[in-house]
Amino acid sequence: EAGVAQSPRYKIIEKRQSVAFWCNPISGHATLYWYQQILGQGPKLLIQFQNNGVVDDSQLPKDRFSAERLKGVDSTLKIQPAKLEDSAVYLCASSPGQGYGYTFGSGTRLTVV
Amino acid sequence: DQQVKQNSPSLSVQEGRISILNCDYTNSMFDYFLWYKKYPAEGPTFLISISSIKDKNEDGRFTVFLNKSAKHLSLHIVPSQPGDSAVYFCAASFYGGSQGNLIFGKGTKLSVKP
Repeated sequence: EAGVAQSPRYKIIEKRQSVAFWCNPISGHATLYWYQQILGQGPKLLIQFQNNGVVDDSQLPKDRFSAERLKGVDSTLKIQPAKLEDSAVYLCASSPGQGYGYTFGSGTRLTVV
Repeated sequence: DQQVKQNSPSLSVQEGRISILNCDYTNSMFDYFLWYKKYPAEGPTFLISISSIKDKNEDGRFTVFLNKSAKHLSLHIVPSQPGDSAVYFCAASFYGGSQGNLIFGKGTKLSVKP
């Protein structure tokens, strides 16, 4: 079984620029999550999708972050404009449904300078 | 307000000995707990879980203990091996709830010395 694919692996941008991350979940997994992990912290949920609908985006900074999951498969997470404090690893995870264990991708490490 | 706490940022253990990683939580509504292991430059991988209706779950060298009255869980690794060196995250969720998303602690970095 192929894992959760994320790209790019690394990204360096200047503050106020925009950036997008891509995630391809495990085939057939209905639930997809984006987490933000700041250095020295545990992952923090940004948004949860069930198929192509949003279940929870209460911790997503909506003034600068947006996410979509077209056709209930791939997902993109965008930051516009980026701030220095957005420097983190952005993890995508998927699961067969709510309440099941996750499989995480390797993450995208974003550095904002 | 951190609902899942791992108060030890790091732990060093000799190969062959027991590693004990601790986790405390504040929300009594959590009913499912998980441990994830993370190597550098990789995403977290699931290790072991426990439902709140149990007080112990074992999988090979890994055992998780849950003390609901103390809102405390621990992960025991016996015997510890150098390949176990990684960051371990404790996570909690409302398994029976509508969301299923996980709330993570800050992690404990385990170093197992040969």
